[in-house]
Parts: sequence; C-alpha cells; structure tokens
Amino acid sequence: GAVVSQHPSRVICKSGTSVKIECRSLDFQATTMFWYRQFPKQSLMLMATSNEGSKATYEQGVEKDKFLINHASLTLSTLTVTSAHPEDSSFYICSASLLRGAAGEFFGPGTRLTVL
Amino acid sequence: KNQVEQSPQSLIILEGKNCTLQCNYTVSPFSNLRWYKQDTGRGPVSLTIMTFSENTKSNGRYTATLDADTKQSSLHITASQLSDSASYICVVSAYGSNDYKLSFGAGTTVTVRA
Repeated sequence: GAVVSQHPSRVICKSGTSVKIECRSLDFQATTMFWYRQFPKQSLMLMATSNEGSKATYEQGVEKDKFLINHASLTLSTLTVTSAHPEDSSFYICSASLLRGAAGEFFGPGTRLTVL
Repeated sequence: KNQVEQSPQSLIILEGKNCTLQCNYTVSPFSNLRWYKQDTGRGPVSLTIMTFSENTKSNGRYTATLDADTKQSSLHITASQLSDSASYICVVSAYGSNDYKLSFGAGTTVTVRA
C-alpha cells in the first residue's frame, strides 16, 4: 500500500517555541493531505484539510494562526505549531489521499509532541 | 452526538479465540466505511474499505460486514493473536456536492492475552 511518513516521530519542546512537523507521501502524489490530533484514549480529530498550492481548510475550533499548514508540493505538507503550550501536547497524525473520498486515506505513523 | 458509535469500548480475549466488534452509524450520504487498526503510539492502518454495494470483505483473519440498510458494520477477528492487541477504529465517509467528510468512531480497544 501507499506509504506516508512523518518527521519527527516525537519532539519535546519548551513552552513558547514553535515546532514543525513534516508529512510526506513517499510513493504517490497526494491531492489532499489531512492533519489530525489525537488525545489519549480518544479517536482522531480532524484539524485541517490541505490541498497542494492552496490554503488549508480548518475545522471549527482550530486556530489557523496557531496551527500553520503549508502544502508546497503533492508529496509534502507541514504543520507548524506556533508558540506551543502544554495543552498542545498531543499525538499529531497526518494522512494523504489519492482520490478524494474514494480510495481511502493513508495515515502517517504520527508525531508525539510534548510541550514542557 | 457522534455519528459513528462503536461497541464495546474495550474487550479482553484469550489468544486463539474469536471476537466481533460493532459499528453503527448515522452518517449520510454514505460513501464508504473503513476499519482501521491502530497500535499504541502509531498511525492507523487500513484493514478494509467497503462501499454501499459490498456486504463483506476479508483481509486475512479480519472480516468486515456491512448492512447499509440498517447502517451497521462489524469486524470479526478470527483466531486472535497477541499482535491483534490494538485499537480498532470504524470510519465512515460521506460525500457531499464537492467535498467529503470522514466521521470517526471512538474505537474499540482489544487486548489479547496468552
């Protein structure tokens, strides 16, 4: 199946700093990439939908100025958590889609963010 | 209220035994239903994807069923192994005029014991 990678796999940072997480589709070009957040023992929550070359669409309640998404190419999307605070500590997962809604999404392995 | 409800929330089974997980949904218009396996600290991995016309689909020891009339799906694990210990997530896709949305269930945590 299609492979999606994320980097880094885990990151620890100080409160107030910014953290960038990369999501890459390794063997296919993704028309759309998605960013999710998952708290312990909870399901994935969609944060934003990202299409290459256009602005991301954020879900209600997600601050676009805090969670900056850049989708510069069909194989790379980045999520930057700006001025991170301890409440931003979570498991961030990206996914990439070949055909929107049709063939399913391929998830990355996730990034564990811990803000001290 | 979540549009995708999974049950049970968690279950413990002995290695070699079978188990069945349930997923009920109210999402519409229905596009497809997926079952994912998520190991702790990892991203979800797709097990099956079923469209409206598919009633059952298998992937090794995993068999998913779909009843689109009653909006119910199940995932059956046969001859469970220790490596089956994970969270199993039911995801329903709804397609609108120019976009689609995924609705996630809260997952069922399966623990397989020797």
